Amino acid sequence: QTVVTQEPSFSVSPGGTVTLTCGLSSGSVSSSHYPSWYQQTPGQAPRTLIYSTNTRSSGVPDRISGSILGKKAALTITGAQAEDESDYFCVVYMGRGVWVFGGGTRLTVL
Amino acid sequence: EVQLVESGGGLVQPGRSLRLSCAASGFSFGDYALSWVRQAPGKGLEWVSFIRSKAYDETTEYAASVKDRFTMSRDDSRGIAYLQMNSLKTEDTAVYYCARVLLMVASTLYRHFDYWGQGTLVTVSS
Repeated sequence: QTVVTQEPSFSVSPGGTVTLTCGLSSGSVSSSHYPSWYQQTPGQAPRTLIYSTNTRSSGVPDRISGSILGKKAALTITGAQAEDESDYFCVVYMGRGVWVFGGGTRLTVL
Repeated sequence: EVQLVESGGGLVQPGRSLRLSCAASGFSFGDYALSWVRQAPGKGLEWVSFIRSKAYDETTEYAASVKDRFTMSRDDSRGIAYLQMNSLKTEDTAVYYCARVLLMVASTLYRHFDYWGQGTLVTVSS
């Protein structure tokens, strides 16, 4: 049973930089897992932010970026704004049409 | 504009069945794979199911939590995907989202959900 791990919560000051991570219970996340990131605010559908590790979806500002840091996928937000306060979910592709989501990170901007 | 609109949610008793629909517009429906993703109240996202396009025989995959109880299908002539949910359990209570899956564009591989519907709420309770 594959488990994808994310920090349950994170806090960042306005204008600051934060890096959220996405790991695997066994092994490393790599580009072959096509890690993607989604932003969700309460009561709304998820919004696609980053796909294929580091490609921004249309309309996503370049202060939001994706990467692989060590054994994990990472989402970095620079110049944090109040509008960034949301839940962030990563998902990894396990092959053969199967995906596993992480538990999500609640980001607070204060 | 790509749109995905889910419907069919509601209150259902444990052990009963329900069928969700996902009506698509704004793209060539038959060329794309689709997935269902759910979110229990106050919880995270959970991938539920995946259906390939007709070019790949409309084959399906399921999460272990729903395998043998849920069936995903599609009607390309109507641009609708379905999720037939049988033997429902209280833990199936969630908002169910339909998502378009991007697999390949111009020989470049992708594996992510690029468009999402607004979701439909399924409540399993006696």
